[in-house]
Amino acid sequence: DAGVTQSPTHLIKTRGQQVTLRCSPKSGHDTVSWYQQALGQGPQFIFQYYEEEERQRGNFPDRFSGHQFPNYSSELNVNALLLGDSALYLCASSSRGRGPTGELFFGEGSRLTVL
Amino acid sequence: AQKITQTQPGMFVQEKEAVTLDCTYDTSDQSYGLFWYKQPSSGEMIFLIYQGSYDEQNATEGRYSLNFQKARKSANLVISASQLGDSAMYFCAMREGIYSSASKIIFGSGTRLSIRP
Repeated sequence: DAGVTQSPTHLIKTRGQQVTLRCSPKSGHDTVSWYQQALGQGPQFIFQYYEEEERQRGNFPDRFSGHQFPNYSSELNVNALLLGDSALYLCASSSRGRGPTGELFFGEGSRLTVL
Repeated sequence: AQKITQTQPGMFVQEKEAVTLDCTYDTSDQSYGLFWYKQPSSGEMIFLIYQGSYDEQNATEGRYSLNFQKARKSANLVISASQLGDSAMYFCAMREGIYSSASKIIFGSGTRLSIRP
């Protein structure tokens, strides 16, 4: 049973460029959430996708956008990169309607460095 | 607004000792869920334990237990008989609303636990 997979694992971009990060959720999961984790800090919620729509959004600018595909996989796009966008980007999947726990399952993340 | 506070940036513990990681939360909701995650140096977040706000007993999962004190809004993680492999970052997290739905999960700033041999 494949867990959450993310690609690429590492990437380096320069300021002003655009980046796309990809995520495949755990088998059986239909909801994907994205988090940004700066070095030494806790993950910050970016947004959540369910049924191909953005359902919730954290305090992130419009430069951060996403998409969910019919197979539940998801992309995170960041435009006009800033130095402060350097972070580990974590994708997490979950299943709606799954009992009271509904914990998130995380991938290993995509580490973005902006120069 | 919901908030998670972890006041211990780092802790050192001798192997085989028990350790308590502190977590306090703030929410105006009566229904919420509390989580603990472990993050090794590899980066992947690993789910450890869950406590619902209406659960009357403290949650336990193997060597992990959650000391839930609702009136104090406290949800401390207790690890018994610590092992070298327990060295990692630990995050407390909360979801408003009991059931898995649209509610987001927010995380605290974490505690770095180091186990000494």
